[in-house]
Amino acid sequence: DQQVKQNSPSLSVQEGRISILNCDYTNSMFDYFLWYKKYPAEGPTFLISISSIKDKNEDGRFTVFLNKSAKHLSLHIVPSQPGDSAVYFCAARAYNQGGKLIFGQGTELSVKP
Amino acid sequence: GAVVSQHPSRVICKSGTSVKIECRSLDFQATTMFWYRQFPKKSLMLMATSNEGSKATYEQGVEKDKFLINHASLTLSTLTVTSAHPEDSSFYICSVPRTGSETQYFGPGTRLLVL
Repeated sequence: DQQVKQNSPSLSVQEGRISILNCDYTNSMFDYFLWYKKYPAEGPTFLISISSIKDKNEDGRFTVFLNKSAKHLSLHIVPSQPGDSAVYFCAARAYNQGGKLIFGQGTELSVKP
Repeated sequence: GAVVSQHPSRVICKSGTSVKIECRSLDFQATTMFWYRQFPKKSLMLMATSNEGSKATYEQGVEKDKFLINHASLTLSTLTVTSAHPEDSSFYICSVPRTGSETQYFGPGTRLLVL
């Protein structure tokens, strides 16, 4: 039972354009969502997060949007840079699960110069 | 700088031996740490929650006698893969939640290869 789903395994974007990474979830108990960036053979690096009481959070080039009714969130990166090329994981936390995170399958973003 | 460290970063061992992986929180104390496992091109799978002062909590399907977890102090948790087999070869990552924050910080991971 995949509670957090990233249905696009890969995404290719031109430098300077917008990258949109999508994530869907099924568990209504999730109250906090996070996006992590990961390079091969390294641990994930925290990017940005959003509480379920909000619908948008912005940090520099990164914006996360949350649509609770659709159980959908997305990460927007604009403008995209070649250094953004990595695997992006969406993660969710349920308020009654002791803080553990459930991860999506990841989306590999490739930003081409 | 790094918030969480892991040691070793890579380890190769023979089948049947045990391997210990350390996870250290460098900047803050943590009563809870999490251990994940990642297969190639797959998601991070939560294995267990390491609890300081009490037993670890294992996720469904994870053998607690196979993956021994010890939360030795407020800054150190260890994962021991006992009697390792080739199918245990994987990338093991720990994470530390910061008290008062919703964010978890991840270690750099440990690549285990069992021959």
